[in-house]
Amino acid sequence: SQTIHQWPATLVQPVGSPLSLECTVEGTSNPNLYWYRQAAGRGLQLLFYSVGIGQISSEVPQNLSASRPQDRQFILSSKKLLLSDSGFYLCAWSVRDRGYQPQHFGDGTRLSIL
Amino acid sequence: GENVEQHPSTLSVQEGDSAVIKCTYSDSASNYFPWYKQELGKRPQLIIDIRSNVGEKKDQRIAVTLNKTAKHFSLHITETQPEDSAVYFCAASLNSGGSNYKLTFGKGTLLTVNP
Repeated sequence: SQTIHQWPATLVQPVGSPLSLECTVEGTSNPNLYWYRQAAGRGLQLLFYSVGIGQISSEVPQNLSASRPQDRQFILSSKKLLLSDSGFYLCAWSVRDRGYQPQHFGDGTRLSIL
Repeated sequence: GENVEQHPSTLSVQEGDSAVIKCTYSDSASNYFPWYKQELGKRPQLIIDIRSNVGEKKDQRIAVTLNKTAKHFSLHITETQPEDSAVYFCAASLNSGGSNYKLTFGKGTLLTVNP
């Protein structure tokens, strides 16, 4: 069966520090991968999605970036964090090349910026 | 692009009552509609989904209905239990032979089931 792993589960970072969040998927190949952010008590904001290695689409311009160095690895990064970057970051995957497939979420990373 | 509106934003029911959450979408080409449940501090989990060629789908106490003409779909939970308390999200997407890129989510409904 397929599983998705995200780490770390929680992270406290000072303003201006760099960020690297990692997500890996097991048990499937060529997945679509997604990064979402969820502010407290709010909905899901799609940040990036990827349909293949090195292929990244950005939904919201900001100081975050994403990379997909391997088929089942998705990384969210920032060079200098802002206070507004606080939130719950969720990675998700879906099956590619088949219609009507839901997205499956990881357990998320709770990021607090001080 | 697609826009999904979800109502109500909060819903409080007594245990055993039914709960209904409604969503409307803007893009008539959308053809896949999943629903997610998110408990406090946890990840969203798929609870049910429906394709546009189906009008209704049921899974035990949960059902989803779709009206393509009116471009709205609803989640129905019967015999609610306290463990149904969570935030529920509807979503819509266009699936065209592998272009399953994005889901557009509603803003969520906080359901509280009072014992």
